[in-house]
Order: sequence, then C-alpha cells, then structure tokens
Amino acid sequence: QKEVEQNSGPLSVPEGAIASLNCTYSDRGSQSFFWYRQYSGKSPELIMFIYSNGDKEDGRFTAQLNKASQYVSLLIRDSQPSDSATYLCAVVSGSARQLTFGSGTQLTVLP
Amino acid sequence: DAGITQSPRHKVTETGTPVTLRCHQTENHRYMYWYRQDPGHGLRLIHYSYGVKDTDKGEVSDGYSVSRSKTEDFLLTLESATSSQTSVYFCAVRTSGGTDTQYFGPGTRLTVL
Repeated sequence: QKEVEQNSGPLSVPEGAIASLNCTYSDRGSQSFFWYRQYSGKSPELIMFIYSNGDKEDGRFTAQLNKASQYVSLLIRDSQPSDSATYLCAVVSGSARQLTFGSGTQLTVLP
Repeated sequence: DAGITQSPRHKVTETGTPVTLRCHQTENHRYMYWYRQDPGHGLRLIHYSYGVKDTDKGEVSDGYSVSRSKTEDFLLTLESATSSQTSVYFCAVRTSGGTDTQYFGPGTRLTVL
C-alpha cells in the first residue's frame, strides 16, 4: 500500500511568519512530488512540483525534497491571511502516473 | 483551469438511482482521472483513462464505472447510488511533456439520500 502522510494540523502561524508543512511517503521508487493548495469549497490548485533532491523556490514558496529520508516539505515565507487553506501533498505512482494524496494540512494565518 | 468543466456541479439523488457525472476538457489531454474527496481521506483515485475507450480502475473503484468515447469527455457512472458515495468528485487531466502534472476541474458535490 503506497501511503502519503501529512501532519494533520491544524497549523496556525502569525502573519509574516514562516509556515512549514511536512509530508512523508512510503514508496521509495517515487520520483515526482507535488504540493496543492485547496481553499474551502474549491478544487486543488497546483503550487509547486519537485523531482530532485534539495530545494526549489518559487516566490514565497520553497519545496524541499529528501529522497533518502522519503520526506517532502513546503515552506511558505512571509505568510499572509490569504494563504489560509488546506495544503495537499501528492506523490506520483503507478503505470498511469496517478497521484496518491496525503489527507492534507489545514493552515491558518492569523492577522 | 486547464479547460476542464464538470457537470452537474451539485446533485442530490436518492439511494438506488443511477447517476452520471461528466468531465469535459478542451485541451486534448490523453490522461484523465476521477477522484473523490472525503473528510479525513484526502483525494482517492476512482478510475482513470489513458485514451479513448482505454480505462482502468483506481483505489476505490467499487460501485463506479467510467466511459470515454471521445478524447474530451470522461463520464463517471454510479449504477445504483448509495449513501457511502456522498462525496465531492473531482476530475483531473495530466498534461503532456513528462512532468506528470495534474490539473483539477471545479468538482461536483453529490449527496445521496
């Protein structure tokens, strides 16, 4: 059973702080990793993907991947109230390259 | 939004009735997926398609069937809806180019009474 685990949260951070979201996965052969943001009542929205060990930065977002530890994280710098949402970690698996999702971490950024 | 629409957006039905959800895409993507999302479970794959008339089962396929007669349309059918199929259903497409990136439609909220 391929699994993706996330901190269940909820996670609250003050405005301007760094939010750190974590994810572990069980399939050591996984190669592609994604972070989606989902606002209440909306569909998942792609934030970032990462394939290689190390850090990948895009604006205020940084994805970190450590394949040896089977660990993916998402850092949100200078958190804003508009970042309040559920963040979903997803891992590609299978011949159809389908996504296996974690159950998500709910983030609240307090003004 | 990768040109994805889903219909209907909301539906209330009764146990035992058949229900069909439609996913329509405008960008000619080969791969399409149906997921359901339930509290505490995240998104789980129901069925997927890798081309016209080519479909396969996902993690939670029991009670569901799919069809894809045209590239742009992927239909999900609940032959006899049950209350356990009350959920939010999302369609997704995978873009080409080797990135495995999936984009999601707006979702359909289905309630089975």
